[in-house]
Amino acid sequence: GDSVTQTEGPVTVSESESLIINCTYSATSIAYPNLFWYVRYPGEGLQLLLKVITAGQKGSSRGFEATYNKETTSFHLQKASVQESDSAVYYCALGDMNNNAGAKLTFGGGTRLTVRP
Amino acid sequence: EAAVTQSPRNKVTVTGGNVTLSCRQTNSHNYMYWYRQDTGHGLRLIHYSYGAGNLQIGDVPDGYKATRTTQEDFFLLLELASPSQTSLYFCASSDAGGAPEQYFGPGTRLTVL
Repeated sequence: GDSVTQTEGPVTVSESESLIINCTYSATSIAYPNLFWYVRYPGEGLQLLLKVITAGQKGSSRGFEATYNKETTSFHLQKASVQESDSAVYYCALGDMNNNAGAKLTFGGGTRLTVRP
Repeated sequence: EAAVTQSPRNKVTVTGGNVTLSCRQTNSHNYMYWYRQDTGHGLRLIHYSYGAGNLQIGDVPDGYKATRTTQEDFFLLLELASPSQTSLYFCASSDAGGAPEQYFGPGTRLTVL
């Protein structure tokens, strides 16, 4: 089946340090995967951080970037300089472009990030 | 802006109890979803729906029923709650079509004693 594996947390970094959260996927039943990063701040629901629907493309938002690499089946999340406000849980997710399948997402386990001031 | 609300935000019940979790979206979205989130498992899809009266089975449906009464309202029912259903539950909505963004509610924390 389809699956997503990401860096197990918790991850702790200091403010202004760089960050990478790894994400790899297996899309055995999806012909045209699309990839997402969602973020959940304390007490809130998940919200979309970025998405990429075409292999080889890069998505970016709020200083975060992720490149959809079909060869390595990866979608790692990176940021050059984190801020304390980036402390949250990050989820990598895999979706299916096939309209007939609905808009189902397969999520990774989530990575809790804490940024020290 | 997209809005998804859930109630209650916290619920404690006993084994064998009857629980209903409610979700309302004001986005005019066709799709609505119920997920559970457990440490180490990420979000797992329980049930989803693409319109009033429709129900689709997700990946972890055992022990759960769901009903979509209107385009806005989607309910998750636990008729005989068990401790294994202690979890954080999220509702979400989205448009139809490829690669739609899902909009999530704030979650309901359910504890089954």
